[in-house]
Amino acid sequence: GENVEQHPSTLSVQEGDSAVIKCTYSDSASNYFPWYKQELGKRPQLIIDIRSNVGEKKDQRIAVTLNKTAKHFSLHITETQPEDSAVYFCAASKGKKLSFGAGTTVTVRA
Amino acid sequence: DTAVSQTPKYLVTQMGNDKSIKCEQNLGHDTMYWYKQDSKKFLKIMFSYNNKELIINETVPNRFSPKSPDKAHLNLHINSLELGDSAVYFCASSQSFGGDRGNNEQFFGPGTRLTVL
Repeated sequence: GENVEQHPSTLSVQEGDSAVIKCTYSDSASNYFPWYKQELGKRPQLIIDIRSNVGEKKDQRIAVTLNKTAKHFSLHITETQPEDSAVYFCAASKGKKLSFGAGTTVTVRA
Repeated sequence: DTAVSQTPKYLVTQMGNDKSIKCEQNLGHDTMYWYKQDSKKFLKIMFSYNNKELIINETVPNRFSPKSPDKAHLNLHINSLELGDSAVYFCASSQSFGGDRGNNEQFFGPGTRLTVL
């Protein structure tokens, strides 16, 4: 089955700096790559996703890039703010199910 | 108005008991899921139903039995609870279960924190 690895497991950044989270996947047939944000005690919520026919997608301060050849994708958060502090999960899917990475705990220091 | 709801929010019970968690979605989605999130925050799929039909059944002890009375509801029954079952259980739903068509976004419920003593 699909195996998704996510790095780093924790990330501390100064407010206003950028944060980058990287994921790799094992199944070359995977074609959908969402990113979820989970605040403390809350439910995971989709923040951005990308499909395999696109190399990059941006939504305000958040961007995701996908390298199908290398089988990796990344989340970039620019101009980080305290409310960006959360656990971020990447995931990969080729149809029936999402396989999640282990999560990255992002802390934005004021 | 709540899109995906779960009850109860907290569940504290003794080892060996049987308990159920209920999930409902009012988004008109065809597919529903159960996930387990352990103490290390790892999210793992347990089951998925599409139009009341079981389509994903991961390696989960058979003490866990999902049931979907209709496509808006997916309940989880757990028999003979063990200490290791303590976790947060999330229900989720999506419009479709994948492929190039359709919207894959999964909407999660608020979670049920299960504590087995």
